[in-house]
Amino acid sequence: DAGVIQSPRHEVTEMGQEVTLRCKPISGHNSLFWYRQTMMRGLELLIYFNNNVPIDDSGMPEDRFSAKMPNASFSTLKIQPSEPRDSAVYFCASSLGGGVDEQFFGPGTRLTVL
Amino acid sequence: GENVEQHPSTLSVQEGDSAVIKCTYSDSASNYFPWYKQELGKRPQLIIDIRSNVGEKKDQRIAVTLNKTAKHFSLHITETQPEDSAVYFCAASIYNNDMRFGAGTRLTVKP
Repeated sequence: DAGVIQSPRHEVTEMGQEVTLRCKPISGHNSLFWYRQTMMRGLELLIYFNNNVPIDDSGMPEDRFSAKMPNASFSTLKIQPSEPRDSAVYFCASSLGGGVDEQFFGPGTRLTVL
Repeated sequence: GENVEQHPSTLSVQEGDSAVIKCTYSDSASNYFPWYKQELGKRPQLIIDIRSNVGEKKDQRIAVTLNKTAKHFSLHITETQPEDSAVYFCAASIYNNDMRFGAGTRLTVKP
């Protein structure tokens, strides 16, 4: 298995532009998580899905952030409009779901907003 | 919601010594406590986890203990090696949902 796949790996954009981050979970996993990592705030859970349904988006910073999971093999995290303070590494993780099991992280997307 | 505190923020040990990292959590309903290791520029990777019905778990040089009454859990690394140098994160959640991470501990093992 290729593991969790994220794209792009690096993204540099200018303030005000729309940014879309993509994630493909491990096949057969039913839960998907989006995290943001910064030096100041550490690892923060933004939103998670069970069986493609958003369960808790209380970690999403503000309305500029949105996430979708149209099917079991694909999810997006969109920032519109982007701001310099959104600069961070964004991780997607997946797990089998339904209980207590390991979350497997993707390689992350390093976002820089100028 | 859950709040996880982790100490120390940095830890430096001599190769071969032991390292201990401690975490506390606030939500007594939490039942899953994983530990992740993150090397520079890499993704977090699970090294060990413990569920609330177990007090201790060991995997070679790594062990984790859980005290549900006091709501704290600890990571113990024995016979440390330079390749153990990384940032370690503890986390707590209820059935792997809404996982909250500690702030991390940067461990340096000096050869």
